[in-house]
Formats: sequence, C-alpha cells, structure tokens
Amino acid sequence: SYELTQPPSVSVSPGQTASITCSGDKLGDKYACWFQQKPGQSPVLVIYQDFKRPSGIPERFSGSTSGNTATLTISGTQAMDEADYYCQAWDSTTAVFGGGTKLTVL
Amino acid sequence: QLQLQESGPGLVKPSETLSLTCTVSGGTISTTSYYWGWIRQPPGKGLEWIASIYYGGNTYYNPSLKSRVTISVDTSKNQFSLKLSSVTAADTAVYYCVRLMSTMTPDYWGQGTLVTVSS
Repeated sequence: SYELTQPPSVSVSPGQTASITCSGDKLGDKYACWFQQKPGQSPVLVIYQDFKRPSGIPERFSGSTSGNTATLTISGTQAMDEADYYCQAWDSTTAVFGGGTKLTVL
Repeated sequence: QLQLQESGPGLVKPSETLSLTCTVSGGTISTTSYYWGWIRQPPGKGLEWIASIYYGGNTYYNPSLKSRVTISVDTSKNQFSLKLSSVTAADTAVYYCVRLMSTMTPDYWGQGTLVTVSS
C-alpha cells in the first residue's frame, strides 16, 4: 500500500522559516495537499494541488514538490502556526495521509 | 457558507455496526464538482481516510476497511452516511465528514464526532 512519510516533529523560532517534508514514491506525479490541525479542532486545508492556497490562508504558507518529496513552507512563522500538519495524496483509488508533523514554535 | 454536520451514536458496542450521517447545508450534495467522504482520527493519532462517494453513486473505499464499510448518499435529504460493521475498540475515533474536490482533496470538514466502541 502507498505510504507518505513525514518527520514527527519540527521546531522553529518565531519569525523564521519552517519547512515540513512529505515523502512518497512518485509523489511528484500526484497532487499533494496539506492540512493544519490545532488541538480540539478539525483540520484546515492550507495547500492543495501541490502549491495552491485556499482563500483565507495567509501568504506565508506555501507548497512545492520535487521528485518524491512535497514540502510545506511557512515563512515568518508565528506562534499561531503551532499545530499538527498532515500531508495527503490520492493514489489510484485511495486517499493516503502522512503520519503528521508537530510544529513547535519556540 | 457550506456546513457539514455529523450525527449518530457516540457509543457503540463491540461487534455492532457504527452508523453516522452527515447533513450538508449551504450547498447541494448533488453537485458535479465534488465528492463526499469520511475520515477518522483515533485519539492522539493521525488521520485515516475511510471512504468517498459521488452523488451519482461512484464509491471509493480504504482497502483496509472495505470489507466492513458502506457509504451511501441521500440526495433528497442532502445527506450522506457511513456504516462500519463488526466494530472493535480500534474503531474508537473522531469521525469527520468532508467534501472533496475532484482531485480528492478534502476542502470542507465537519466538526467531527467522537465514537467510542465499548461494552
């Protein structure tokens, strides 16, 4: 079965750039998306189709893909960005999520 | 503004069937542009896709759950539903109903409902 791999945790200082990776076989051939989830809340879509940003998502959130890796980048990270982040892709007839990355803003 | 609301029992006994309904408001479920689906999250763990359906009836299931899952849609009520049979404690999770883009990206989520499997 298809798998997406994320680092369990990433730390960043306020104002700095955070990068969260998501790796999967031939991920570059699929659309990747990213979700932000804060404690006790439903996930929120922050990036879709690799790099597109839904309405209302701050410009500091961006996405990219290269080869087998998709990357979520948060520029000028703020304390409010501390959350769990999940990548997701559609493989043939199945939706797959990465295991999630806890972003800590120190 | 589109809204999705899950409803159903919060407690299900082992070996029984979990049944949930998602009511869609602020939009029609009979749209050609979107799919509808269910995603779950066990306490303290990650997200797991369960199933998706198109209003016309096309369905997709997580292979690991397929033998126990049925997803259906009722366009007259603007609702879609999930049935998960033979549940165990491992099925305890927050269950979310979602709308999915044509690329199978969930763009709208319900608030989620916790279903506990326990005797």
